[in-house]
Amino acid sequence: GIQVEQSPPDLILQEGANSTLRCNFSDSVNNLQWFHQNPWGQLINLFYIPSGTKQNGRLSATTVATERYSLLYISSSQTTDSGVYFCAVQFLDQKVTFGTGTKLQVIP
Amino acid sequence: ETGVTQTPRHLVMGMTNKKSLKCEQHLGHNAMYWYKQSAKKPLELMFVYSLEERVENNSVPSRFSPECPNSSHLFLHLHTLQPEDSALYLCASSQDDLGGGHKTQYFGPGTRLLVL
Repeated sequence: GIQVEQSPPDLILQEGANSTLRCNFSDSVNNLQWFHQNPWGQLINLFYIPSGTKQNGRLSATTVATERYSLLYISSSQTTDSGVYFCAVQFLDQKVTFGTGTKLQVIP
Repeated sequence: ETGVTQTPRHLVMGMTNKKSLKCEQHLGHNAMYWYKQSAKKPLELMFVYSLEERVENNSVPSRFSPECPNSSHLFLHLHTLQPEDSALYLCASSQDDLGGGHKTQYFGPGTRLLVL
C-alpha cells in the first residue's frame, strides 16, 4: 500500500551538531512538505518541496522525486529545534499522507 | 503561524455531549482541512474542503460532522464521541490551484480534546 516512512524515529543531538532526517515514500507524488511540531503541539510549515533543493537559514531540504525520498538537513542545531519533524506527501490521487515523524531532542 | 486560529484550545467533554470546534483562516485561502493527531500515531487527514465543497472524507465516523459555511471558516461538530477520539485536532488552510493540487498548508495551533 501507499506508505510514507521517516527515519530515524528518534534522534538526540548535542547543541551545535548537524543532522539529516529522511522521508521515503512509496509512489509518485504531487507535492511534499516538511513540518516541525514544537513541544506545545503547534505545526509549523518548514518547506514545500515536491522536487529540488531549498534552504532557509540553518535548514535545508532536498527531494529526489524519481528516487522517492526527501531529506531535511539541520545544521548547528539549537535547543529550540527540539520537537517532532513530519513529512507530508500528496500522492497523484491527491491523498495527503503524513509520515510517522522523527522526534528530535537537542540537549545543551 | 498566526494566520489560522482555532477555538477552543482545550476541550473536555463527556460521551453524550455535543460540541463544535471552530477554525478561521485570515490568509485568503480557498481550501481548508481537518487533521487528527492521536498519541503515538501519524497525523491523519480527516476532511478537505476546496472552494467550500467537501472534496475528501477519509472514512471518518459519522460522529464527526464538518461544516464549511464560507472559505474562511471551518467547523467540526462532535457528538457521542468515544474516549479513543481524544486527540489533538488540527485545522489547516492552503491556496489551491485550479488543477486540484494542494499547495503549502498553514496550520492552526490545534484543539486538544479529551473525551471522558
